[in-house]
Amino acid sequence: LAKTTQPISMDSYEGQEVNITCSHNNIATNDYITWYQQFPSQGPRFIIQGYKTKVTNEVASLFIPADRKSSTLSLPRVSLSDTAVYYCLASRRQLTFGSGTQLTVLP
Amino acid sequence: ETGVTQSPTHLIKTRGQQVTLRCSSQSGHNTVSWYQQALGQGPQFIFQYYREEENGRGNFPPRFSGLQFPNYSSELNVNALELDDSALYLCASTLAGGPEQYFGPGTRLTVT
Repeated sequence: LAKTTQPISMDSYEGQEVNITCSHNNIATNDYITWYQQFPSQGPRFIIQGYKTKVTNEVASLFIPADRKSSTLSLPRVSLSDTAVYYCLASRRQLTFGSGTQLTVLP
Repeated sequence: ETGVTQSPTHLIKTRGQQVTLRCSSQSGHNTVSWYQQALGQGPQFIFQYYREEENGRGNFPPRFSGLQFPNYSSELNVNALELDDSALYLCASTLAGGPEQYFGPGTRLTVT
């Protein structure tokens, strides 16, 4: 299972775009890159998943370069309610969570 | 709402006791995984069940065991509780072939 590295914390202001980068140097060929969001005392919530290039849904975009050794989660125009821990995972079935990135959105 | 429910919400046990946590997932979700999340850390994979058979296990001792039932419910059993077992226990279910794991709200276990 690939180990991921991401910043421990990030601060942003309401309305800004936030990019969180994750490193996964030993990602396996059949691993997908998945991001989850977690609020205190709740279970993680799926945000987006991708294998390569770019994936976009109604809440986020995921950018994956050709070598797949890193990925960037992009959250457009964040609000206070986006304050949460964001986890990057490079696996599919047996999720291996790291410590995540605590995103704090300031007014 | 993910459609995954867990019971109880909170539980207090004494060291050495046994505990059973329950999870109910959506119809058609034939894979269920259990995670342990200590305060301030990411969830740690305990094990996964697929069609009522254990399908993978993390670095947890045998006193952590599970069951999955045909009605899409599952159990996590922990024997000989230790103080370090105090954590939020999460279950997550997956629709066959789908990428997304749907997490329940968790059970907060406190061992004293």
